Parts: sequence; structure tokens; C-alpha cells
Amino acid sequence: GAVVSQHPSWVICKSGTSVKIECRSLDFQATTMFWYRQFPKQSLMLMATSNEGSKATYEQGVEKDKFLINHASLTLSTLTVTSAHPEDSSFYICSARGQGGVLLDTQYFGPGTRLTVL
Amino acid sequence: AQTVTQSQPEMSVQEAETVTLSCTYDTSENNYYLFWYKQPPSRQMILVIRQEAYKQQNATENRFSVNFQKAAKSFSLKISDSQLGDTAMYFCAFMKPNSGNTPLVFGKGTRLSVIA
Repeated sequence: GAVVSQHPSWVICKSGTSVKIECRSLDFQATTMFWYRQFPKQSLMLMATSNEGSKATYEQGVEKDKFLINHASLTLSTLTVTSAHPEDSSFYICSARGQGGVLLDTQYFGPGTRLTVL
Repeated sequence: AQTVTQSQPEMSVQEAETVTLSCTYDTSENNYYLFWYKQPPSRQMILVIRQEAYKQQNATENRFSVNFQKAAKSFSLKISDSQLGDTAMYFCAFMKPNSGNTPLVFGKGTRLSVIA
């Protein structure tokens, strides 16, 4: 149980285009989803936290107009990188927490999306 | 604010041997959760073990066990009978219970290499 999927697993795009990454909780309802960015050989850097039906809360230094997050349902959150540039190339990981019990007090992670901007 | 410290950036162990990864944390909370996550080369974050602070008994999952010392704020991970598939980055993490939007607080990770 507690499976989180991400799509796509990797994407290459041209500079200036937008890319959408989907994160789904497959077997539980995720009241809260988190988006992380990870540089090689480093820990995860939290970008934003989102709740279903609410605006996302962004960490300091993260441009909310560049990284659009939509948590439209209890099983789906999307991250859109708008007008992507090479410096946005990175590994993006989503994570979800459920509604109660162990699901509430544990974060489950998607497999990540590798974004390369040419 | 909570902090998590992993003082060993890299470690190595021979296959079939036992290795212990260190983690210390700082918090003023009395109740909380601690986790060890594994990130293999595929980069999928995998939950290895979860410990509830109010439980004195150390959590175990097959070859993985923890030594939870609440007073010392220490939470080490022991891997017994190490296997090549244990090669990964290991992250220690802290969470406040019933904290809704509050995310995990991660350490910087320990890169473990299991050598044949």
C-alpha cells in the first residue's frame, strides 16, 4: 500500500517551453503533497507544500510563478515548470501524506522526474 | 526548529558484514516520528524503518534495526548481513505527529557502499 506515482519519469524540453509533472497517490487519499528538488549527491530541497483545493505554500527563494502547483484532487497534484531554462534542469520528487493513522504520519515518495532543459 | 544531523557523509561495508549509520536530531517536542529512507541509484525514496518516539522498543524490519536513544536524541540504523542491493544514500528524517502540512526534516544523508 501507499504507492505514489509520478509521470513522466524523465523529460527533455527546449528552453522557454513549459513542462507539467503529475504526481498521483494510487491507493490512498493524499491530503497534503510536497514537491522537492534534488541536485546530484545532495539531500532533498523542499520547494512547496500543497493541500487539496488550496493554494500551495512555497519555500523561501522558490518562484511561485515559475513553479506552478495545482492540487486539484485528493489523489493528484501537478507541478508545471513554466518557461523552463537550463538552470531548471534537475530531479523533481513528489511526496504525499494521507488522511489518518500511519498514512498521516508518514511521507511516501514518488519515483521522481528527471528534467533536462536544452 | 528541528534539525537532523548525519555526521558520516560516506561509509562502506563488506558484503555480509554489519554496518551502523549515525543520526542525531534536535527538538523540543516530546512526541514525534523518526524515519530512515533509502535512495538507491534509481533515486526512488524507499521507507526503510519508522520509529514512534513514545515507543521505547526499537523498531526492526528484517535486516534493518534502529537504536533509538531518546534522551541522547540519537537514532542510528543498523544493517545486518549487508547485501549489494543495500548500496544507496540513506537519509534520516524527523516528523512531528499530526502536523498536517509540516514536512519531514531531512539530514544530509550518508552514502553507503556495499563491497563484494
